[in-house]
Formats: sequence, structure tokens, C-alpha cells
Amino acid sequence: SYVLAQPPSVSVAPGETARITCGGDNLGSKSVHWYQQKPGQAPVLVIYYDDDRPSGIPERVSGSKSGNTASLTISRVEAGDEADYYCQVWDSGSDQSIFGTGTKVTVL
Amino acid sequence: EALLVESGGGLVMPGGSLRLSCAASGFKFSAYGMNWVRQAPGRGLEWVSSITSSTGLIFYADSVKGRFTISRDNAKNSVYLQMNSLRAEDTAVYYCARDRFGDYSRLFDPWGQGTLVTVSS
Repeated sequence: SYVLAQPPSVSVAPGETARITCGGDNLGSKSVHWYQQKPGQAPVLVIYYDDDRPSGIPERVSGSKSGNTASLTISRVEAGDEADYYCQVWDSGSDQSIFGTGTKVTVL
Repeated sequence: EALLVESGGGLVMPGGSLRLSCAASGFKFSAYGMNWVRQAPGRGLEWVSSITSSTGLIFYADSVKGRFTISRDNAKNSVYLQMNSLRAEDTAVYYCARDRFGDYSRLFDPWGQGTLVTVSS
């Protein structure tokens, strides 16, 4: 089955930049979406179609993709960015949606 | 504003059944694909099932295929998840989520608040 690999954790100081990666086979041919989940809350879409941002998501949150690795970048990190982040794709080979393993972002 | 509210969670014994409901409001329900995603305690997100808007195409995760059934009632603005032959590993918060762009966008926005299903004797 298709697997999306993310680092378990990323730690960053306030004001610095956090970068979360998401890797998978043939990821370059798939659209990658990113979700933020704070403790006790439902996930929220923060990036879709690799690099589009829904209204209400700050411009310091951005997405990109190169080859088989997608990245979510959070610039000028704030305490409120502390959350779990998940990438997600649709795997047409299996007709299933796949979530990444998740990355916990800790603001030091 | 689109709103999704799940219900029907609870405690069920292994091998038992449960039916989850998700009531939608604030958008034209019949024009959107709908999805169920679950999260076991302390674990990551796991997609469970999707159903398209009018054609009724249905997709399942391998882990629930043959045990779970997704359905929708466009007249009632609701989507359902019938869960049979439940196992301990099905214990999770179950979220309902809408396709962001109608059908086949395969990205989830918004999400409901979730309903907890606990499978235990």
C-alpha cells in the first residue's frame, strides 16, 4: 500500500522557520494537501494542490513540491502554530486516500 | 458557512454494530462528495471511506472493506457510516469531512467535530 513518510517531530524557536517534509513514491504526479490539527480539535486544511492556501490561512504558511518530496513551510513561527501536521494524497492506483504519518511541531 | 455534525458514537462490544450519522448544513449537500476519516487514540489520521455526490461512487480503506458501508441521503443532507463486525482496532474518533470542491477533489474541508467510537468488552 502507498505510504507517505513524515518526520515525527520538528522543533523550532519563535520567529524562526519550520519545514515539514512528506515523501512518497511518484509523489510528483499527485496533488498534495496539508492539514493542521491542534490538541482536541478537528483537522483544518492549510494547503491544497501542493501550494494553494485557503482563505484565512496566513501567507507565512506555504507549500511546495520537488520530485517525490512535498514540503510545508511555516515562516515566523508563533506559539499558536504548535500542532500536528499531516500531508494527504489520493492514490489512484488503489482508489484510496492516504494520510502521512504526521509531524508534531513544537515551538520552543 | 458549511457545518458538519456527527452523531451515533458510543461503546460497543467486539463483533457488534454501530451506525454513525453526519448532518450537513450551510451548503448544497447534493453537490459535494463526503468522507469519513478516523483517528485512534494518540495516533494519526486514517481515511475510512468516500462517497461521491450524485453518482454514488464509493471507496473504502482496505482495513474496513466488507465491514463498513457508507451511504447518503441527499434529501436529509446526511451521510452515514454503518459499521459491522467491529474490532478493538476500530476504536477511534470518527470525523465527517466534505470534499472541498464538489466531487473528486479528494481533499477535505471542512471537518466535523468528530464522534468517539469505543469497541471494548
